[in-house]
Amino acid sequence: GAGVSQSPRYKVAKRGQDVALRCDPISGHVSLFWYQQALGQGPEFLTYFQNEAQLDKSGLPSDRFFAERPEGSVSTLKIQRTQQEDSAVYLCASSLARMNYRGGGYGYTFGSGTRLTVV
Amino acid sequence: ELKVEQNPLFLSMQEGKNYTIYCNYSTTSDRLYWYRQDPGKSLESLFVLLSNGAVKQEGRLMASLDTKARLSTLHITAAVHDLSATYFCAVDRKYGNKLVFGAGTILRVKS
Repeated sequence: GAGVSQSPRYKVAKRGQDVALRCDPISGHVSLFWYQQALGQGPEFLTYFQNEAQLDKSGLPSDRFFAERPEGSVSTLKIQRTQQEDSAVYLCASSLARMNYRGGGYGYTFGSGTRLTVV
Repeated sequence: ELKVEQNPLFLSMQEGKNYTIYCNYSTTSDRLYWYRQDPGKSLESLFVLLSNGAVKQEGRLMASLDTKARLSTLHITAAVHDLSATYFCAVDRKYGNKLVFGAGTILRVKS
């Protein structure tokens, strides 16, 4: 597609419920990132995939958070046993550049995000 | 640990005035990004600055990068209402390309 697509756009979950958030990156983009944006804050890194390999998951806040990208395209971020502090906008971004590529110009394209509210 | 600080965090401007948003970062990096975010929307890329002394301009916005001072500025010239949004700067660590964002500057342009 022309851009990064995320679904659902909004999700309300009861505390303790599991949720799955989907990201469709731009076709051919090697790198895929998940970020968490709390209200009034800048996005914070969660995890990074290069193709199907999860190369960095240092930003995942707990073992309740799990991400996968099994075929190197679509990615799913799963949150188990959701808690109120998980309420945030979850942004997906993709890029043509591989990790550590130092050439110029490759930026990141962000999706519209999934707003998760845990009640 | 790479930290990114923006100031001011909130800026109320009159139409037609000029102002500058500052972005400081704590460790060596050589790629800096500016994004715009409208309420309820995603991040729109404005500028990618790749080297010391880089300056880019688009319309009423101009961004610059001083890697020695670890400082980027986003200058707004003759503000118009359409520029009202939240502006984020973000820095790529030197090795590995996950972005570290500032807290954002909420810009409101008043008629």
